[in-house]
Amino acid sequence: GQQVMQIPQYQHVQEGEDFTTYCNSSTTLSNIQWYKQRPGGHPVFLIQLVKSGEVKKQKRLTFQFGEAKKNSSLHITATQTTDVGTYFCAGGHGQNFVFGPGTRLSVLP
Amino acid sequence: EPEVTQTPSHQVTQMGQEVILRCVPISNHLYFYWYRQILGQKVEFLVSFYNNEISEKSEIFDDQFSVERPDGSNFTLKIRSTKLEDSAMYFCASIGQPYEQYFGPGTRLTVT
Repeated sequence: GQQVMQIPQYQHVQEGEDFTTYCNSSTTLSNIQWYKQRPGGHPVFLIQLVKSGEVKKQKRLTFQFGEAKKNSSLHITATQTTDVGTYFCAGGHGQNFVFGPGTRLSVLP
Repeated sequence: EPEVTQTPSHQVTQMGQEVILRCVPISNHLYFYWYRQILGQKVEFLVSFYNNEISEKSEIFDDQFSVERPDGSNFTLKIRSTKLEDSAMYFCASIGQPYEQYFGPGTRLTVT
């Protein structure tokens, strides 16, 4: 079955540093979604990418979808302590999704 | 802002007992999901539901699991005979347009 991997598993950064997490699917995706989960919380939808090579920005967050629609990345510029949490990608085939294992981000003040 | 609600927030049950986890998805959404997350691990897809029937299910969703939408608003997950390894956080989610997936706060299931 489809597998979705993410690296790194953990990332510790100093506040103000940049952060990137990478997501790779074993199969071509129809779409990819990104979520943030704070400790003790539930996944919160951030964005969906659909088109090959698509790039979307939300303030300090930049999301990319690879040309082959098998990989994606999330980049945070100048991290803040409020960015702490686990970032999951979810590879989509239509309306069904397989989540990656997540990247846990710690931001040191 | 509309939200998905889940009850109870925490359920403790003995092994072999049946549990029903309840969810109220966002009212105009069409696709509904159950996921589970074992502590510290990734979110695992269980089942998707569309047009009053199961759309897709994972290997985890065996004969012990069932879902229902009994009254057009509630969406339930039943585990017939719980096992220790069913202990996890169970999230309900729903999708509307344009395919933003909203998660509920989850039900923490503890099987003893």
